[in-house]
Amino acid sequence: KAGVTQTPRYLIKTRGQQVTLSCSPISGHRSVSWYQQTPGQGLQFLFEYFSETQRNKGNFPGRFSGRQFSNSRSEMNVSTLELGDSALYLCASIRGARDTEAFFGQGTRLTVV
Amino acid sequence: DQQVKQNSPSLSVQEGRISILNCDYTNSMFDYFLWYKKYPAEGPTFLISISSIKDKNEDGRFTVFLNKSAKHLSLHIVPSQPGDSAVYFCAGLQGGSEKLVFGKGTKLTVNP
Repeated sequence: KAGVTQTPRYLIKTRGQQVTLSCSPISGHRSVSWYQQTPGQGLQFLFEYFSETQRNKGNFPGRFSGRQFSNSRSEMNVSTLELGDSALYLCASIRGARDTEAFFGQGTRLTVV
Repeated sequence: DQQVKQNSPSLSVQEGRISILNCDYTNSMFDYFLWYKKYPAEGPTFLISISSIKDKNEDGRFTVFLNKSAKHLSLHIVPSQPGDSAVYFCAGLQGGSEKLVFGKGTKLTVNP
């Protein structure tokens, strides 16, 4: 079965711009979580969506937002980009009902210049 | 407040020997712990997990040990292989949540 698909793989943006990243979870999975990975901080939780509702949110500013569609695909948006937003953004797909195994996509490498 | 700590940023071992990766946590509400392996330019791949009601879980060359009283877990890889060279992340999962809390990772290098 197809894995978790994240698009685009690479992105370069300028400070002040906004960006939208996309994640298609594994078919049948209803929960999607987003993580930010930076060299100094490891993987940090951004937010989690289940059946189009945000269930959990990490400690990130309001410039970071997301949504989930009825087909479970999810998008995350970062507005007013800052240099410090440069990171690998990872999406995790979970079947739901507290499945303990999360499957990750390859990530989107965002570079803000 | 770092709830999951991997205090060794890197570890180097010889092929065929044992690799021991350590992880400490502070959140008593974690009821599952997971280990992920990550190669450069790829997403993390699930390796092995352990429930907080167990103290050991084994899967092939990988064994995870949990010491709840010490809030410590470790991943043992025996025998280590060069293909095991990657960054290993420990994560805790809190009851009632799908939110994984990750440590900062340990880069394992297995030398031929």
